Amino acid sequence: GQNIDQPTEMTATEGAIVQINCTYQTSGFNGLFWYQQHAGEAPTFLSYNVLDGLEEKGRFSSFLSRSKGYSYLLLKELQMKDSASYLCAVRWASGGSYIPTFGRGTSLIVHP
Amino acid sequence: ETGVTQSPTHLIKTRGQQVTLRCSSQSGHNTVSWYQQALGQGPQFIFQYYREEENGRGNFPPRFSGLQFPNYSSELNVNALELDDSALYLCASSLGGGRVADTQYFGPGTRLTVL
Repeated sequence: GQNIDQPTEMTATEGAIVQINCTYQTSGFNGLFWYQQHAGEAPTFLSYNVLDGLEEKGRFSSFLSRSKGYSYLLLKELQMKDSASYLCAVRWASGGSYIPTFGRGTSLIVHP
Repeated sequence: ETGVTQSPTHLIKTRGQQVTLRCSSQSGHNTVSWYQQALGQGPQFIFQYYREEENGRGNFPPRFSGLQFPNYSSELNVNALELDDSALYLCASSLGGGRVADTQYFGPGTRLTVL
């Protein structure tokens, strides 16, 4: 199957740094997305990784290791508004189609 | 540039009824994907439409059907509603029909409650 594993819930303190991990099946891998989703709202795009390494975008960074089937989303200088669910989505090449599969999401709670 | 829009925002139906949800894709996008998201879960892929044709389907029964129009807007129809169909239904638009690496942009969703 095309499994994606990420922690269910994490808590952190305002101003701190948090790392949310995501592991996935490597066969046929064709890209990984991170989305942020506030309660009751649609997911919003954060980052896309297809090559190994770190992609930095402001306070958010995303890392990928294709050989290990591993990615993480790093959030720095946490703010209360960062409390949300963070979805890891992986695209596998299947019959010429590249439709992403989403993990269950990691609920991040930021405390003052 | 207009983002992805969905209607209605909320909907309440009873078991056995039928429902139609609507989505307008982002300007310039020709691909629409529909997802079902139950509470506490990630979005589950239902199907994708590219240039008015179904381009991929997830593990959903035939009572989930769809349509894409020449302007690339789309409908999701669900017949014979069941209690488990209660969820947030998300529409995502993109460019490329799922055949190339492109990013999906989501609409605000329709919250369906089946009683």
